[in-house]
Amino acid sequence: EPEVTQTPSHQVTQMGQEVILRCVPISNHLYFYWYRQILGQKVEFLVSFYNNEISEKSEIFDDQFSVERPDGSNFTLKIRSTKLEDSAMYFCASGYAYEQYFGPGTRLTVT
Amino acid sequence: DQQVKQNSPSLSVQEGRISILNCDYTNSMFDYFLWYKKYPAEGPTFLISISSIKDKNEDGRFTVFLNKSAKHLSLHIVPSQPGDSAVYFCAASENTGNQFYFGTGTSLTVIP
Repeated sequence: EPEVTQTPSHQVTQMGQEVILRCVPISNHLYFYWYRQILGQKVEFLVSFYNNEISEKSEIFDDQFSVERPDGSNFTLKIRSTKLEDSAMYFCASGYAYEQYFGPGTRLTVT
Repeated sequence: DQQVKQNSPSLSVQEGRISILNCDYTNSMFDYFLWYKKYPAEGPTFLISISSIKDKNEDGRFTVFLNKSAKHLSLHIVPSQPGDSAVYFCAASENTGNQFYFGTGTSLTVIP
């Protein structure tokens, strides 16, 4: 069964550094999403991506964040200058308009 | 801004009995609702969904009920099995189908 994959599984970075989190969505899906979950808190929507552009983003997704689909398979989330409060699990999801399938997540630790 | 609320952080149920997980929402524009199951160190797994034109959707042991007037939905699992022990999230979306709002989750423990 096809699944969403994410790399790396754990990323440790220093405050102020740039990180790129990578996702390979399921191949015939049309919508792509990034979510995050700070430890002990709820899953929060960051951004959705459709037809090669951002279709919706939350308040969390400020100028420090960007997404790209550089080729036909990968979907990346870049954080330009990480802050301590960016430490969280980041989940990629892909799907159709009303159905999403999540990857296993990348744990980002900012020190 | 808690648009989707799961007021019970945890629930314990005996194996074979029914598990009922509840979810409330505040935004009357939500028209699509999903339930996810999440095991530790894994991403959420889609379980079942319901659109606002229905009040019930069933898939095997899982049934979701939607009460639009009360802005309430529930997930019934019957019979409950130990493998159902996980955190359950409800999520809701407006008609854009893009941004999903998640509840805080309910940790279900099914006791053998």
